[in-house]
Amino acid sequence: EIVLTQSPGTLSLSVGDRATLSCRASETIGSSFLAWYQQTPGQAPRLLIYAASSRATGIPDRFSGSGSGTDFTLSISRLEPEDFAVYYCQQYDRSPMYTFGQGTKLEIK
Amino acid sequence: QVQLVESGGGVVQPGKSLRLSCAASGFKFDNYGMHWVRQAPGKGLEWLAYISYDGSEKSQADPVTGRFSIFRDNAKDTLYLQMNSLTTEDTGFYYCAKVSGYSSPFRDWGQGVLVTVSP
Repeated sequence: EIVLTQSPGTLSLSVGDRATLSCRASETIGSSFLAWYQQTPGQAPRLLIYAASSRATGIPDRFSGSGSGTDFTLSISRLEPEDFAVYYCQQYDRSPMYTFGQGTKLEIK
Repeated sequence: QVQLVESGGGVVQPGKSLRLSCAASGFKFDNYGMHWVRQAPGKGLEWLAYISYDGSEKSQADPVTGRFSIFRDNAKDTLYLQMNSLTTEDTGFYYCAKVSGYSSPFRDWGQGVLVTVSP
């Protein structure tokens, strides 16, 4: 089973700042089958990024993903108030046993 | 558009059973694989189970193997999760999710249903 470790656990930033979230895998993720999700309180997760760097439909271009192998990054270029949420990475390489990281909480400083 | 609506949650005692449903609409249900994901209160997302478009392939996470089973009724456009021998550790929100292929991210999610296991 691939274990995903996200860091930091909590990130405190201000509106307008740039956010950088990390996801490290215990094994190489083939074909960059890595996704990022955003979850706000009381809501289901929303797909932001798939295939490590492709934005899902309707996702603003301030969200970007990068990385390959075992190290992946989600960047948010200019934080808006609605971006403060919890973010999860997920691998879908070892189908169908998909695993999630433990999450990074992005909070307002 | 795609709609996934979970139901069947509630409060149940430890050791009892519960069956969750996920009613699908807005797409051809029998063309797509489906997953169940849960989230304990204040915790992260945990993948639970997968079923292929025709029900011929299934997979489950170790914590629920032998207690939970995933199945579907394509004639009713509905996905199910049968949960037996429930423990307090099974408390949480349960989400169904649709995938477009074998190795695909979860583009579409239901709103979730709450299961509370309490004495």
